[in-house]
Amino acid sequence: AQKVTQAQTEISVVEKEDVTLDCVYETRDTTYYLFWYKQPPSGELVFLIRRNSFDEQNEISGRYSWNFQKSTSSFNFTITASQVVDSAVYFCALSRRLTGGGNKLTFGTGTQLKVEL
Amino acid sequence: DGGITQSPKYLFRKEGQNVTLSCEQNLNHDAMYWYRQDPGQGLRLIYYSQIVNDFQKGDIAEGYSVSREKKESFPLTVTSAQKNPTAFYLCASSVRRQGDTGELFFGEGSRLTVL
Repeated sequence: AQKVTQAQTEISVVEKEDVTLDCVYETRDTTYYLFWYKQPPSGELVFLIRRNSFDEQNEISGRYSWNFQKSTSSFNFTITASQVVDSAVYFCALSRRLTGGGNKLTFGTGTQLKVEL
Repeated sequence: DGGITQSPKYLFRKEGQNVTLSCEQNLNHDAMYWYRQDPGQGLRLIYYSQIVNDFQKGDIAEGYSVSREKKESFPLTVTSAQKNPTAFYLCASSVRRQGDTGELFFGEGSRLTVL
């Protein structure tokens, strides 16, 4: 069975602090994708990043960076110099390809990030 | 602009009533999904459909029904058999071709409250 664990339920930081959101996953699949989504108060899930299980290179996109370590089954997300607009719920997700096409995503329980002035 | 439209955004229902949530996409995606979100539980898969006139149960299908008569549309009916229907419902879509990257595109969600 697939499982995603986001142990941090809520994190509060002051603006300009760096913050790391943890994600640990379990799967027996050899090929899979990992995702991070952002859910602002409006409710829509906004795609942030996708990582293939064969690609362990870390990635940086502006203030966002991701650290994928297959050896520890972790896919952590760091926001550098956080801003109030980063306040949202962040979900880590693990995909499994469905027979017939498409993908099932298994989500973690989410981490509520609050960035205060 | 291409995207997924869910309606209504907010819905109130009395116990014992069925209610249908609408989901329309213009992304030309073959696969569509319904997820349920509860506080502290993340998102759980209710139903999914990979092609028109076909759909499969997800992890928590009991008390729900769906149809897929058109590629663009995947409505979800929350029936009176669903014991705890108050939740936030998210519709998603994706391509299903070989080698796709697995990304799901989500609508803005529908919040259902049972009174």
